[in-house]
Amino acid sequence: EVVMTQSPGTLSVSPGERATLSCRASQSIGLNLAWYQQRRGQSPRLLIYGAFTRATGVPDRFSGSGSGTEFTLSISGLQSEDFAIYYCQQYNSWPSLTFGPGTKVDLK
Amino acid sequence: QVHLVESGGGLVQPGRSLRLSCVASGFTFSPYGMHWVRQGPGKGLEWVAIISYDGATKYYADSVRGRFTVSRDNSKNTLFLQIDRLRVEDTAMYYCARDLQGGAFDYWGRGTLVSVSA
Repeated sequence: EVVMTQSPGTLSVSPGERATLSCRASQSIGLNLAWYQQRRGQSPRLLIYGAFTRATGVPDRFSGSGSGTEFTLSISGLQSEDFAIYYCQQYNSWPSLTFGPGTKVDLK
Repeated sequence: QVHLVESGGGLVQPGRSLRLSCVASGFTFSPYGMHWVRQGPGKGLEWVAIISYDGATKYYADSVRGRFTVSRDNSKNTLFLQIDRLRVEDTAMYYCARDLQGGAFDYWGRGTLVSVSA
C-alpha cells in the first residue's frame, strides 16, 4: 500500500496570504495525485487531479505541482472560503487508493 | 448538473446488515466507474470500494473485503453498498463518488451516516 503523508498538520494563514501544502508518497506515483478540499460539514470537493490539472470550476488561485513522491498544493491570495481541510490522494497503486491525513488551513 | 444522493444509513447494532444506496442524476450514469468512500467521526477519508461502469469488476479496501459488497443498477442510475456483519469501527459517513481518470473522485454526494453501536 502506498502511504501518503501531509505537512504541516495545521497551517495558520491570514486572508490574502499564500498557503503552501505538502504531500509525500511512500513510493513513486508519477502524476496520479489528486487534491480535495473539505469545508466544515461538507463533502470533499475535487480541486486538482493529475498532480496539476484544475478541476472544473476551481479558481486559478489553486495550483498543484510535483511528481513522483513529492507534491505541493499552493493557494494564492487566500480567501475566507478557503479555510478548510485539504487532502491529497494517490490513484497510481490499484486497487488500493489512499489518502493523506489532511492539512487544516485555519485563520491566523 | 451532477447530483449524487446517498441514503440508507442509520443506527444499527454490531453484527447486523445495512444496504446503502446512491442515486445519480445530471449525467449519463452507465459509462462511469463509481466509488464508495467513508469518513469516521473526526477522521480522514478512507476509500472503500469501486465498481466498474458495467458492474463486472469490483475492488475493495482490505479493511472491508468479505463484508462489503458493491453493486449497481444502471437502469435505475443507482449504486449500492451492502454492509454485512457491521462493526463499531464501520461507524462513518459514507459517500458515493464518481470516478475520474481511473481513481480520482470528481463528484461526491453529501453522504449517509452509519452508526454502529450496541
